[in-house]
Amino acid sequence: NIVLTQSPATLSVTPGESVSLSCRASQSISTSIHWYQQKSNESPRLLIKYASQSISGIPSRFSGSGSGTDFTLSINRVESEDFSIYYCQQSYSSLYTFGAGTKLELK
Amino acid sequence: QVQLKESGPGLVQPSQTLSLTCTVSGFSLTSYSVHWVRQHSGKSLEWMGRMWSDGDTSYNSAFTSRLSISRDTSKSQVFLKMNSLQTEDTGTYYCARGRGADPYFDYWGQGVMVTVSS
Repeated sequence: NIVLTQSPATLSVTPGESVSLSCRASQSISTSIHWYQQKSNESPRLLIKYASQSISGIPSRFSGSGSGTDFTLSINRVESEDFSIYYCQQSYSSLYTFGAGTKLELK
Repeated sequence: QVQLKESGPGLVQPSQTLSLTCTVSGFSLTSYSVHWVRQHSGKSLEWMGRMWSDGDTSYNSAFTSRLSISRDTSKSQVFLKMNSLQTEDTGTYYCARGRGADPYFDYWGQGVMVTVSS
C-alpha cells in the first residue's frame, strides 16, 4: 500500500497568513495526488486534482504543487472559512489511500 | 445537478450484514465510477471499493472477503453489502463519484452514520 504522510498534523494560523501543507508518498506516484477539504460534520470537498490542477468553483487562493513523492497544498491568505481538515489522496495505485489529514485551526 | 445520497440503517448488530444504497442523480452510472469511502469518527478516510462504469468492481483488500458492491443502473443505485460486522465498523459511510482511470472524487454524498452495537 502507498502510505501518505501529511504534515504538520495541526497548523495554527491567523487569518491573512499564507500556509503550506505537506503530503509525502511512500513511493513515487507521479502527479496522482488530489486534495480535499472537510469541514466539521460535512462531506469532503475536492480542492485540487492531479497535484496542481484547479477545480471549478474553488477559490484561487488554493493551489497545489509537487510530483514524485512530495506534494504541497498552499493557501494564500487564509480566510476564516478555511479552518478545517485537509486530506491528500493518491490514485497511482488501485488501492486508493488517504493521508491522516492536517487540521488548520485558528491561532 | 450531480447528487449522491446514501441510505441505510443507522444501527446494525454485531455479526450482522450492513446494506447501504447510494442513489445518484445528474449523471449516469454507465459513464462514471462510484466509490465507497468510510470514516471512523475523528479519523481519516478509508477507501473501501468501487463500481466502474462498465460494471466491474474492485475492493480494498482489507475488506475483500466480506464486502460486495453491486448496482441497478435502471434505478441509478449502487449498493454496498458488508457482512460479519464488528464494532470497529462503526463510522460514516460515503459514496463518491470518481473521475478518470486513476480517479479523484469530485462529488460526495452526505454520508450515513452506521453504529455497530448490540
